[in-house]
Amino acid sequence: EIVLTQSPGTLSLSPGERATLSCRASQSVSSSYLAWYQQKPGQAPRLLIYGASSRATGIPDRFSGSGSGTDFTLTISRLEPEDFAVYYCQQYGSSPPVTFGQGTKVEIK
Amino acid sequence: QVQLVQSGAEVKKPGASVKVSCKASGYTFTSYGISWVRQAPGQGLEWMGWISAYNGNTNYAQKLQGRVTMTTDTSTSTAYMELRSLRSDDTAVYYCAREGGYTATDYWGQGTLVTVSS
Repeated sequence: EIVLTQSPGTLSLSPGERATLSCRASQSVSSSYLAWYQQKPGQAPRLLIYGASSRATGIPDRFSGSGSGTDFTLTISRLEPEDFAVYYCQQYGSSPPVTFGQGTKVEIK
Repeated sequence: QVQLVQSGAEVKKPGASVKVSCKASGYTFTSYGISWVRQAPGQGLEWMGWISAYNGNTNYAQKLQGRVTMTTDTSTSTAYMELRSLRSDDTAVYYCAREGGYTATDYWGQGTLVTVSS
């Protein structure tokens, strides 16, 4: 099973600042089958990025994903008030099980 | 528009079973899989398994093998997840989600809270 480790656990930033979230895998993620989700309290997760770097439908271009192999990054170029939430990475390669990282909380400083 | 609508909250006693439904609309049901993910209170996301709506093939998380069954009814575009021998640590919000293959888990249901308590 591929273990995903996200860092930092909490990121305290102000609106307008840049956020950089990390996701490290215990082994190489097949064909960059790495996704990022945003979750707000009381809501279902929302897909932001799939295939490590492709934005999902309707996702603003301030969200970008990068990386390959075992190291992946989600960048939010300029934080908007609605971006403060918990973010999860997920690997969904050809071999189950699918696994999630433990999450990074982006909070208002 | 793609929608996944789940059944309502459940309260169960330890040892009982629960069956959660997930009705899909807005797309061709048999062209995608359905994943089930749960989230215990204050915790992260846990993948439970996946079912192909095309042929019914399943893949379950190892820790749930023997207690979980996922099925679909293509005539009503509905997916079901049954969990048996419930324990207190099964208390969680259970989500169904459309599995898009390379496009990942792209649409999610609203979640169903299952509370296991004596």
